[in-house]
Amino acid sequence: DTGVSQDPRHKITKRGQNVTFRCDPISEHNRLYWYRQTLGQGPEFLTYFQNEAQLEKSRLLSDRFSAERPKGSFSTLEIQRTEQGDSAMYLCASSPRGGGNQPQHFGDGTRLSIL
Amino acid sequence: ILNVEQSPQSLHVQEGDSTNFTCSFPSSNFYALHWYRWETAKSPEALFVMTLNGDEKKKGRISATLNTKEGYSYLYIKGSQPEDSATYLCAFNSGAGSYQLTFGKGTKLSVIP
Repeated sequence: DTGVSQDPRHKITKRGQNVTFRCDPISEHNRLYWYRQTLGQGPEFLTYFQNEAQLEKSRLLSDRFSAERPKGSFSTLEIQRTEQGDSAMYLCASSPRGGGNQPQHFGDGTRLSIL
Repeated sequence: ILNVEQSPQSLHVQEGDSTNFTCSFPSSNFYALHWYRWETAKSPEALFVMTLNGDEKKKGRISATLNTKEGYSYLYIKGSQPEDSATYLCAFNSGAGSYQLTFGKGTKLSVIP
């Protein structure tokens, strides 16, 4: 079990730049999730994929955010024209088939800092 | 908007003390309640997933109970050790075809040697 891996671990960029994060889920998991965690808060749901289909999106996911999961394997989360409020920890998780009673396995996260 | 509340926000205990935290969640449209442990600089680790009212689960010195009718879950740690220091998060899932988790803000536990 290699676990969920995320890249990069840290990203520092200037306001207005675009950033892209990558998530590699556990290989046999068909569900993949993105969450965002800001200081003092719990993780907040952003979006969810089942295989390559994006099935749920939060209202938090503005039109500057886009996520993809081509071929149902790894996923990317892109933020365009970054703003200071985008500074957060971006967490990816995956889970096997089953309902909301399946544990989600998280990666170490990508910490984004906007200057 | 779903509200998941955790208390206390933070907690300091002496090594060897037992402790417990609370998670409250909507009692309607309940499907599952998850507990995670998140140590600094690591990934959140799944502890328990609970679905049935009255359920009790145990993993080593950590156990959890669930009351879906009144909308709360307790997490207990017996004989706290310094390695138990972490933020403990609970998360609610309402089912109905949704797989997203709604998290509380967590309880930060510090165990003093």
